[in-house]
Amino acid sequence: DTAVSQTPKYLVTQMGNDKSIKCEQNLGHDTMYWYKQDSKKFLKIMFSYNNKELIINETVPNRFSPKSPDKAHLNLHINSLELGDSAVYFCASRQGYGYTFGSGTRLTVV
Amino acid sequence: KNEVEQSPQNLTAQEGEFITINCSYSVGISALHWLQQHPGGGIVSLFMLSSGKKKHGRLIATINIQEKHSSLHITASHPRDSAVYICAVQNYGGSQGNLIFGKGTKLSVKP
Repeated sequence: DTAVSQTPKYLVTQMGNDKSIKCEQNLGHDTMYWYKQDSKKFLKIMFSYNNKELIINETVPNRFSPKSPDKAHLNLHINSLELGDSAVYFCASRQGYGYTFGSGTRLTVV
Repeated sequence: KNEVEQSPQNLTAQEGEFITINCSYSVGISALHWLQQHPGGGIVSLFMLSSGKKKHGRLIATINIQEKHSSLHITASHPRDSAVYICAVQNYGGSQGNLIFGKGTKLSVKP
């Protein structure tokens, strides 16, 4: 069983579309995250979610919205996709100091 | 200036060489992580450090909290060690323990 699973692994879509990336963790961790890895491979926090408290990186456009139906899931919804949204998106979960990452979703906007 | 700086950015080594990757940070931290990412691959956590030194197989990670510096060492390097190694810190008092990343060190080990 994969500890942190993301779907889909690859996503190619046209500008202007709305898409979602799903993330599920079976570790019982309290905190989940979305990170973005840009074309230069630099990782940056987008969102963190713990006990229904959502903390948003202020640089993230409001076209991005995380949705957490329960503690084990943190999905990422993106409206009106733009070319610059092309990146690899990583979900992660944490308990204490221990981090586990998903395998990433490569989003390509054309 | 990034809050987490890694050096070198790129590193090429011959199989068997001893490798050191350095990480310096400018913020107060509660923990430091070393991560590994293979080309096109996911991110694997190698070490989490809050003090001292940890060893796992051929990998050794050290941290000096006073100097705000950490090193990752690979002994007897092998081509399968070729990957990007990323240093990341958990900001002390920061929101929900999210990570601040260095820009990574791309390691290539030649046979």
